[in-house]
Amino acid sequence: EAQVTQNPRYLITVTGKKLTVTCSQNMNHEYMSWYRQDPGLGLRQIYYSMNVEVTDKGDVPEGYKVSRKEKRNFPLILESPSPNQTSLYFCASSLRGQGGGYTFGSGTRLTVV
Amino acid sequence: AQSVSQHNHHVILSEAASLELGCNYSYGGTVNLFWYVQYPGQHLQLLLKYFSGDPLVKGIKGFEAEFIKSKFSFNLRKPSVQWSDTAEYFCAVISNRDDKIIFGKGTRLHILP
Repeated sequence: EAQVTQNPRYLITVTGKKLTVTCSQNMNHEYMSWYRQDPGLGLRQIYYSMNVEVTDKGDVPEGYKVSRKEKRNFPLILESPSPNQTSLYFCASSLRGQGGGYTFGSGTRLTVV
Repeated sequence: AQSVSQHNHHVILSEAASLELGCNYSYGGTVNLFWYVQYPGQHLQLLLKYFSGDPLVKGIKGFEAEFIKSKFSFNLRKPSVQWSDTAEYFCAVISNRDDKIIFGKGTRLHILP
């Protein structure tokens, strides 16, 4: 089944403790992206990647890192999480040219205390 | 800069009422347009998309949207809503120049049984 898999689904952590949210897709998509969703603010793009070893900042990149060493994986790294990063995070992927639109992962609800 | 505006943040309707959710975008070039739906506790799913051709697009679950180029609009419609349509709806735009998708802030739809 074609899908984007995020892990974990839920995570509660403490301020400053490094964490990684994994994202993997099995559709051979070139384009991958991370979003955070907050009430009243909609979806905001954190980072995106056009292909392997190519990453770029989105609208709200501060406090986040990403890497794209393989086509299928696009992990989101929070080196020193803070409470304002408490949010719902979505990974998404698509083919270049957006022929099929985006496929979204199931989301990761992160709480930083 | 590209932007997407969804006029209504929160809509409440009774079952069987007709629905129209507004979406306007600001971009002068060729665009691809999408509506996504997010049911409570779930991830975003593609509802319908417009790339070219007939400006009236049919989607899943009886939804349709009309692309009006002169008005930079892509409004979502459904003649008769059901309680199960309760969800958040996101309009999105991608320009043909790059693969960056811009989301509107979403419209929360509540259908009263």
